Amino acid sequence: AQSVTQPDIHITVSEGASLELRCNYSYGATPYLFWYVQSPGQGLQLLLKYFSGDTLVQGIKGFEAEFKRSQSSFNLRKPSVHWSDAAEYFCAVVRYGGSQGNLIFGKGTKLSVKP
Amino acid sequence: DAGVTQSPTHLIKTRGQQVTLRCSPKSGHDTVSWYQQALGQGPQFIFQYYEEEERQRGNFPDRFSGHQFPNYSSELNVNALLLGDSALYLCASSLVGDRTYEQYFGPGTRLTVT
Repeated sequence: AQSVTQPDIHITVSEGASLELRCNYSYGATPYLFWYVQSPGQGLQLLLKYFSGDTLVQGIKGFEAEFKRSQSSFNLRKPSVHWSDAAEYFCAVVRYGGSQGNLIFGKGTKLSVKP
Repeated sequence: DAGVTQSPTHLIKTRGQQVTLRCSPKSGHDTVSWYQQALGQGPQFIFQYYEEEERQRGNFPDRFSGHQFPNYSSELNVNALLLGDSALYLCASSLVGDRTYEQYFGPGTRLTVT
């Protein structure tokens, strides 16, 4: 079955340090991939998405992600983390045969930022 | 533009009761999807409504049902509540045929079953 794996449940980084959140997916064809962020008590906000083309995609808030087919990965990166980036981050893929609203999410990675 | 709105924000129910959650999509959107997010988990797709019909359904029992109205707003109904139904319920809206595949999520309804 299709799945999304986020290996890191919780990550702590210092403010100003770089960040990489890992995401692996299982899917044969080219997937439609997303990264969302969820702040406490909030809904999900789309950071970026990948459908095809350039494997390095830019998103909002200074985030980027790189699609690597050979590794079935779509890792999220940010060169310098700000305290306001503390939140939970979810990687998601469109379910095979599903519509645009039918997503499979990973379990999320909680990001804490040290001052 | 108010974006996606959901009501109520929180509610507490007892096992065996029934609950109705409501969602108004972003202006211009015609498709509503519902997700259940248990504590410490990612959201799980429940179902999707378009043109007032359920178009896709995830792996949820028939106790979960929904409805979409002509103005595109939607309701999620859960019957015979179980303790395990305690979760954050998220609504997302989109526009059918939108090749960007973008969805906008509401803030969610926190359901607690005691």
